[in-house]
Amino acid sequence: AQSVTQLGSHVSVSEGALVLLRCNYSSSVPPYLFWYVQYPNQGLQLLLKYTTGATLVKGINGFEAEFKKSETSFHLTKPSAHMSDAAEYFCAVSGSRGTGFQKLVFGTGTRLLVSP
Amino acid sequence: KAGVTQTPRYLIKTRGQQVTLSCSPISGHRSVSWYQQTPGQGLQFLFEYFSETQRNKGNFPGRFSGRQFSNSRSEMNVSTLELGDSALYLCASSLAVNTEAFFGQGTRLTVV
Repeated sequence: AQSVTQLGSHVSVSEGALVLLRCNYSSSVPPYLFWYVQYPNQGLQLLLKYTTGATLVKGINGFEAEFKKSETSFHLTKPSAHMSDAAEYFCAVSGSRGTGFQKLVFGTGTRLLVSP
Repeated sequence: KAGVTQTPRYLIKTRGQQVTLSCSPISGHRSVSWYQQTPGQGLQFLFEYFSETQRNKGNFPGRFSGRQFSNSRSEMNVSTLELGDSALYLCASSLAVNTEAFFGQGTRLTVV
């Protein structure tokens, strides 16, 4: 079975500081990996995804993530935090390549707090 | 282009009742999946439908069921509601099997 571990349920940064949200996965097959963001009382919005090819993936709102197979990691970064980045972030892995993107296994989420 | 629409947004039901939630996918999307989000268990996959057929099912009791119509709209039903069924239920649609999922705003179900 595949799983995702997000280190840190809460991460606090100052506006303008680097954002680093950690995600490690477990998978017996090459994974599809995703980062989603959730604002209060909203659904999930896809930030970026890794399927195959380039291991550094760029997403929306200035976020990017690097797939490191040797470390089984897919950490999310943003060079400079904005107040509007305050939200909950979820890392996810697809259930299996055979089921495509739809059966997602999510991490427990990391709440990003941004202070002025 | 309209996004994924879930109705209703909020719902309050009594233990023992049943409930039906609706999801209208993005136009042209044929795959619809459902997730349950709770503070204790996080986001958990319920099931996925593609062209009216259930392709995947998560580890939920048989009280949870779903279906998809020919226009790709989907409904999920929960019978004999329990307090623990209180959650945000999220629907996601995708164009095909190997394309990313777009989520709706969810239905907040409260069981009292």
